[in-house]
Amino acid sequence: AQSVTQPDIHITVSEGASLELRCNYSYGATPYLFWYVQSPGQGLQLLLKYFSGDTLVQGIKGFEAEFKRSQSSFNLRKPSVHWSDAAEYFCAVGRMDSNYQLIWGAGTKLIIKP
Amino acid sequence: GAGVSQTPSNKVTEKGKYVELRCDPISGHTALYWYRQSLGQGPEFLIYFQGTGAADDSGLPNDRFFAVRPEGSVSTLKIQRTERGDSAVYLCASSPYSAQEQFFGPGTRLTVL
Repeated sequence: AQSVTQPDIHITVSEGASLELRCNYSYGATPYLFWYVQSPGQGLQLLLKYFSGDTLVQGIKGFEAEFKRSQSSFNLRKPSVHWSDAAEYFCAVGRMDSNYQLIWGAGTKLIIKP
Repeated sequence: GAGVSQTPSNKVTEKGKYVELRCDPISGHTALYWYRQSLGQGPEFLIYFQGTGAADDSGLPNDRFFAVRPEGSVSTLKIQRTERGDSAVYLCASSPYSAQEQFFGPGTRLTVL
């Protein structure tokens, strides 16, 4: 069965430091890949997506992610985090037998130290 | 433009009661999705509408859960005989068609006492 793993439940980063959030998936073909962010009281917001083409994807708010087929990974990165980046981040994969269902990771909570 | 809206934002009910949760999608979006999110988890798919019809309701946990979208716009998720295990945040999303990029509402936090 398809699955998405976000191995880090919490990550604490100092403001201004770089960030990498990990996402691994199991899938039999090239998946559709997404990163969403969820702030308290807010809906899930799409940061970026990968469907095909260039494996380095740029998103909103200065985030980027790289699709690595050999590692079945789609890690999210940001060179310098801001206090406003504190939120929960979810990786999701489009199901191979459906063009609409997403399989979600359990999320990584990002904590920013001042 | 207006995003996806959900009402109420919070709902507290007693075990055994009936609740309705409303979702107003982005205008023109034909696809609508309901998810449930428990604490510390990612969203769990419940049901997907394309237009007025439920194209996939395989995620509904049991027959106490039902959803409608009679005019292809607003949707209502209905839960009968609520149980404490139904407590969660219920998320609604919409997309222009059955594209994978989904736009989410802020959710309704349901608490069953």
